[in-house]
Amino acid sequence: NAGVTQTPKFRILKIGQSMTLQCAQDMNHNYMYWYRQDPGMGLKLIYYSVGAGITDKGEVPNGYNVSRSTTEDFPLRLELAAPSQTSVYFCASSPSGRAGEQFFGPGTRLTVL
Amino acid sequence: AQKVTQAQTEISVVEKEDVTLDCVYETRDTTYYLFWYKQPPSGELVFLIRRNSFDEQNEISGRYSWNFQKSTSSFNFTITASQVVDSAVYFCALSEAGDDKIIFGKGTRLHILP
Repeated sequence: NAGVTQTPKFRILKIGQSMTLQCAQDMNHNYMYWYRQDPGMGLKLIYYSVGAGITDKGEVPNGYNVSRSTTEDFPLRLELAAPSQTSVYFCASSPSGRAGEQFFGPGTRLTVL
Repeated sequence: AQKVTQAQTEISVVEKEDVTLDCVYETRDTTYYLFWYKQPPSGELVFLIRRNSFDEQNEISGRYSWNFQKSTSSFNFTITASQVVDSAVYFCALSEAGDDKIIFGKGTRLHILP
């Protein structure tokens, strides 16, 4: 099993550009999450999904969009990149949501200049 | 609203010393879950432990132990006989029974000096 995979690992964007961060898991987990990690600020939840076709906002959803058409994939879309979106983005999945451990991907380091 | 506070931003200890990482949480729910995760310098996040609100037993796993006290809303993590490989950022997290979100603290950066 590959676990949770994220692509790309690194990306530099110009202000106003768009991109999609890819996340996939092969553990058949229903729950998936997107976090951003800013230096010294811990993890903040952007969006999450409790199953295919269902998504919901986290703490910091502005500037992002998600979709969940399959159990395996949970892409995160940045429509108009801003410097404030410079961060490390982590995707995670869980078999049992709030009560279970989360399995994290390796992260995507995004810089917006 | 749920909240997790890790007051220690950064801690440095010499190898083989014991160290305790503090975690204080706030919740209105009677059913909730607490977690600890480790983020080594390589960057990935690794699950360490989960505890539900009805289980106040302390847990020990090798050199790691966790002390859960509902009376003080704390879930502290102790590393005994620390090793350089324990150097990492450690996150405490909380989820409530009525919510699928998990809230993380800001983390404590632990340096184990050889």
